[in-house]
Amino acid sequence: DIQMTQSPSSLSASVGDRVTITCRASQGISNYLAWYQQKPGKVPKLLIYAASTLQSGVPSRFSGSGSGTDFTLTISSLQPEDVATYYCQKYNSAPFTFGPGTKVDIK
Amino acid sequence: QVQLVESGGGVVQPGGSLRLSCAASGFTFSSYGMHWVRQAPGKGLEWVAFIRYDGSNKYYADSVKGRFTISRDNSKNTLYLQMNSLRAEDTAVYYCAKPWSSSLRYWGQGTLVTVSS
Repeated sequence: DIQMTQSPSSLSASVGDRVTITCRASQGISNYLAWYQQKPGKVPKLLIYAASTLQSGVPSRFSGSGSGTDFTLTISSLQPEDVATYYCQKYNSAPFTFGPGTKVDIK
Repeated sequence: QVQLVESGGGVVQPGGSLRLSCAASGFTFSSYGMHWVRQAPGKGLEWVAFIRYDGSNKYYADSVKGRFTISRDNSKNTLYLQMNSLRAEDTAVYYCAKPWSSSLRYWGQGTLVTVSS
């Protein structure tokens, strides 16, 4: 099975900073990758699918890129409401594995 | 609008069984595959199972294979997860989720399963 890793596992950044989270698949998955945001105590929310397509209603400061095995989620200007854990997920085929998550907070 | 409402969670002893339900509305349930995802307390998301729109194919995480069964009743717009031989490590909030372009666009609020003696 394909394994998903994320780095870093956590980060602390200032409001307005550019934040980048990396997701890596152990084998190529084309662009079958999604990013989710989960705020404390809340249900996960889809941010990006097909590696780089922004879900409707998601702020444009979020962007995704990558293909094959290496992917990134970028927050161009971190806002207080972006405090959350971010997960990547592969969906090219089962098992539809999630990455371990990256916890983002404000410095 | 899409609504997914899970039910059936609770406290069960190790080795016991539980059946979760997910009532779907706001879309044509019989046209979509559906997922179960779980999250243990303080832990990350874990994909559990997927069933195709017509129930013809089912897929499971290795951690639940042989113990959990995903099923659906398209006449009742309901998704199920039968969980047998439950273990402490199955303690989690269980979410049902509907895909959008194959990613998980819609999520229910979740139902908590606690496996404890």
